[in-house]
Amino acid sequence: AQSVSQHNHHVILSEAASLELGCNYSYGGTVNLFWYVQYPGQHLQLLLKYFSGDPLVKGIKGFEAEFIKSKFSFNLRKPSVQWSDTAEYFCAVTVYSGAGSYQLTFGKGTKLSVIP
Amino acid sequence: EAGVTQFPSHSVIEKGQTVTLRCDPISGHDNLYWYRRVMGKEIKFLLHFVKESKQDESGMPNNRFLAERTGGTYSTLKVQPAELEDSGVYFCASSPAGRESYEQYFGPGTRLTVT
Repeated sequence: AQSVSQHNHHVILSEAASLELGCNYSYGGTVNLFWYVQYPGQHLQLLLKYFSGDPLVKGIKGFEAEFIKSKFSFNLRKPSVQWSDTAEYFCAVTVYSGAGSYQLTFGKGTKLSVIP
Repeated sequence: EAGVTQFPSHSVIEKGQTVTLRCDPISGHDNLYWYRRVMGKEIKFLLHFVKESKQDESGMPNNRFLAERTGGTYSTLKVQPAELEDSGVYFCASSPAGRESYEQYFGPGTRLTVT
């Protein structure tokens, strides 16, 4: 079965610092890749997604991610974080389950705390 | 456009009791998913409806969990009887048919606490 690993459980940064959150998945076939974010007290929201094409994808709020197939990675980046980026970030993949379902498989999440 | 809604937002019940969680997907979305996050663990898939039919229920933990989707609209997830290990946040997500079905829209979740 596929799995997703997020390397950092909790990241603490000062405002304006650069961010990179690691994500690796284990699946040899075609995958669709996502980063979701959950701000405090809010629901999960899609930050960005990769289906095919340009491996560098841009999302909302200045986030981007790069799909590196050879490394099975989909790392999330932002050049300069803001206090409002404080949230929990989830990497996820969808794989066809064989039962007609594209269920999401999530990593454990990374909590980001940005200090003003 | 209204998003995915879930009710209740929080439920506290005793072991052995029954709880029913409800999810209203985005109007017109054929796909409806249930996920669960137990504290400290990852969000895990429970099951998937396409309209009113269960497409994949491979993630359901055991037969104490029963999900339904009446008329292909809202869905309920019943836990009977609840056990301590059922505590967690239950998320519902929906997506449209077709290629866009890859992108799932999540509700706010129901936090279930079993004491």
